[in-house]
Formats: sequence, structure tokens, C-alpha cells
Amino acid sequence: RKEVEQDPGPFNVPEGATVAFNCTYSNSASQSFFWYRQDCRKEPKLLMSVYSSGNEDGRFTAQLNRASQYISLLIRDSKLSDSATYLCVVNMAGSNYQLIWGAGTKLIIKP
Amino acid sequence: NAGVMQNPRHLVRRRGQEARLRCSPMKGHSHVYWYRQLPEEGLKFMVYLQKENIIDESGMPKERFSAEFPKEGPSILRIQQVVRGDSAAYFCASSPGQLGSPLHFGNGTRLTVT
Repeated sequence: RKEVEQDPGPFNVPEGATVAFNCTYSNSASQSFFWYRQDCRKEPKLLMSVYSSGNEDGRFTAQLNRASQYISLLIRDSKLSDSATYLCVVNMAGSNYQLIWGAGTKLIIKP
Repeated sequence: NAGVMQNPRHLVRRRGQEARLRCSPMKGHSHVYWYRQLPEEGLKFMVYLQKENIIDESGMPKERFSAEFPKEGPSILRIQQVVRGDSAAYFCASSPGQLGSPLHFGNGTRLTVT
């Protein structure tokens, strides 16, 4: 089992719809979680950190489920500009620097 | 507050030449990471450095690749005797180093080996 797993997609979603995807992690002691987005041929950009209590930033909501060892990202009222690859990042337990990157979920928003 | 600065943005080298990629971290960040990304693939960790120290180079090929982060100046990723397979996007990221701190990425250097 990979340390961090994501459905590669692509998720084809009509504009305005709500879309959600998960990311599972294998090490129950992992402590820090992030969602990044990466546009084609550009650098990854931090979308949001994921906190234990869940957090929301505009149309984006991130959740952490420690019992089932996954994090989720929900995008409401999707825009064409949301088309990107979404990367899940988890820190290695016991380390404050070793980050494990998922391979990414590709999202395509269609007009 | 300038972000992570990488240069050059694009670098073309012939097989056998040397490539030098530079990265200046964000102000206040003393931790630097280098990643490589091949077309249509995910990010691959290469090396993690703090000022004057290589902390983890487990992702870096043993030969031809080296990295440094001197006390003064940018971090340098050096690739000697480049081969076609080295063609990729090389991203640098920095962080202040505390647990829970996210990484901030530079625009990347796209290396093409002809």
C-alpha cells in the first residue's frame, strides 16, 4: 500500500457542481496535512492546510478523518479555473520535514 | 515579501555539459527542498537542506547530482555531464522548518538536454 494514495481521475465535472475527493494515508501517526493545486507546467501552490476540526476557505472545505486515515477536499460551485491537479501532502510521523506527496487527482471543470 | 526565487526559468544544455540551478528561499526560511517532475508525472523528492547542511539526500541520484545551501547566497542544484533523461522541471521549495509549516514553491527551472 502506498503511503499516500489519491484517485488519479480525471474527474470531469460541470461548472457549478460540487466535487469531492479523498486522499488516504498509511501512517496513523502523521500529524500535518495539506492540499496543494498544480496547474499544468506550473509550480504546486498551497491551497489549504487541513486541521483536525476541519476548515473552510470560501468554496473549499477540507476535512481530516483520523479513524479512517483520510483527508478530503470539497469544492462547491466549481469554476472553470478550478481545473487543475490537486495534490495531497502528509508529513512522515516523527519528522517535521519529511513530506509524502500523493500523485494527485486531476480535476476538469467543463462549461 | 518576495517568494521563492528560482533561476533560470529555462535552461538548455547539450549532453555532457553541466547544469546549475539556483534557488533563493523566502525571507526567513532556512529550509530548502528540491524536487524533480517529469512530464505527466508527480513530484519526486530529491534533497532537503538547511543552511550549510544536507539533511536528507535520499532522493538524489548518487552520481552527477549534488546540492548545496551555503551560509551566504542561494541553494544550488548541480548536475554534471547531463543526459537526456535529466530533462525535467526542477522545483525548489522553502519552509521555516516548524512542524505543520507548509512548503512554498518557486516557479521551477525547466531543463532541456539536447
